[in-house]
Amino acid sequence: AQSVAQPEDQVNVAEGNPLTVKCTYSVSGNPYLFWYVQYPNRGLQFLLKYITGDNLVKGSYGFEAEFNKSQTSFHLKKPSALVSDSALYFCAVRDSVWAGNMLTFGGGTRLMVKP
Amino acid sequence: DAGVTQSPTHLIKTRGQQVTLRCSPKSGHDTVSWYQQALGQGPQFIFQYYEEEERQRGNFPDRFSGHQFPNYSSELNVNALLLGDSALYLCASSSVGFSLNTEAFFGQGTRLTVV
Repeated sequence: AQSVAQPEDQVNVAEGNPLTVKCTYSVSGNPYLFWYVQYPNRGLQFLLKYITGDNLVKGSYGFEAEFNKSQTSFHLKKPSALVSDSALYFCAVRDSVWAGNMLTFGGGTRLMVKP
Repeated sequence: DAGVTQSPTHLIKTRGQQVTLRCSPKSGHDTVSWYQQALGQGPQFIFQYYEEEERQRGNFPDRFSGHQFPNYSSELNVNALLLGDSALYLCASSSVGFSLNTEAFFGQGTRLTVV
């Protein structure tokens, strides 16, 4: 069975400071990892993914994530936070390269960026 | 490209009633998955349809059923509604195929309230 843990319910950061949202995963095979963002009363928007290759993945809106196989982690990062980045962030894992396979999500981390 | 569209956006039902939610996948996508997102939680996988058949199913009771039509659109049906079925229901579409560069695209969701 696959699982995802997001250890922080909320992350607070000042605008302009770097941010990190943590994610660890467990999967029996190769991990296919994703970050999604959710704004109030909205669906999920795709940010970035790790399928294979370079451990540092760059995504939308200046976000990036670092895949660490030994620590089974896939932390989301951004060098300089914006107030508009405030939202709910979800890490997800899939144990198959097939895009139709089920995603297992973490519980989410609320990011609050203060001016 | 309209992306993934879901209808209705909001719905209020009474306990014991039945409800049908609808989803049109992103253009070019042939696989539809449904997720339930309870308040304050991450989305949970309900089931997935491809070629008009249910291919994978999460840990949801038989009260949850679905259908996929020849045009790839999909319906989620929930019978004998319980208060605990109140949630945001998300539809995700993707394209089958052994491609590494695919991810699921989500609709805006249907907010179901059971009273």
